[in-house]
Amino acid sequence: NAGVMQNPRHLVRRRGQEARLRCSPMKGHSHVYWYRQLPEEGLKFMVYLQKENIIDESGMPKERFSAEFPKEGPSILRIQQVVRGDSAAYFCASSPKQTNSPLHFGNGTRLTVT
Amino acid sequence: AQSVTQPDIHITVSEGASLELRCNYSYGATPYLFWYVQSPGQGLQLLLKYFSGDTLVQGIKGFEAEFKRSQSSFNLRKPSVHWSDAAEYFCAVGEGSSGDKLTFGTGTRLAVRP
Repeated sequence: NAGVMQNPRHLVRRRGQEARLRCSPMKGHSHVYWYRQLPEEGLKFMVYLQKENIIDESGMPKERFSAEFPKEGPSILRIQQVVRGDSAAYFCASSPKQTNSPLHFGNGTRLTVT
Repeated sequence: AQSVTQPDIHITVSEGASLELRCNYSYGATPYLFWYVQSPGQGLQLLLKYFSGDTLVQGIKGFEAEFKRSQSSFNLRKPSVHWSDAAEYFCAVGEGSSGDKLTFGTGTRLAVRP
């Protein structure tokens, strides 16, 4: 039973390019969460999605960031026109959304903007 | 808004010594509380969780944590630390009906002396 799969593990982009981060939840999990970890900080909530629905995007920056979780395929976190401040580790987590089910985290994508 | 404070940024203990990592939270309702561990370059692994019931929670790898409502604390303990416990530890509080939207502390980095 594979865990939460994120790819790529490492991503390097130049300023102004686009970054696409992918997350496949655990089998049977229909809820996906994206968190960002800046250097020397804890994880910060970004967005929570179900299939084809954004449930809570209160932690997403207002510009350049978007997320989707289509009916088929992985969840995608997209960052347009990246800037150096976007350099961070981006973690995806999934849940079956049953009561008292904790989140399961992937190993993250480390984005470096040069 | 909920918040989590981990007052110790770095802690060093000798192998075989006991360990206590502090965590204080701020949350209006009955909290869902978690401890996660992160090894370098890895994702987060759940150590233990508290949702309700017994305030002393047992987790994996010999860890336990005690929920103290009067002190708004959820400290993590281990009676005898192993070198493989060196990692970063994050306390988190969850909101929502199943506590799945997490607010993390800034983490405590544990070093273990041989």
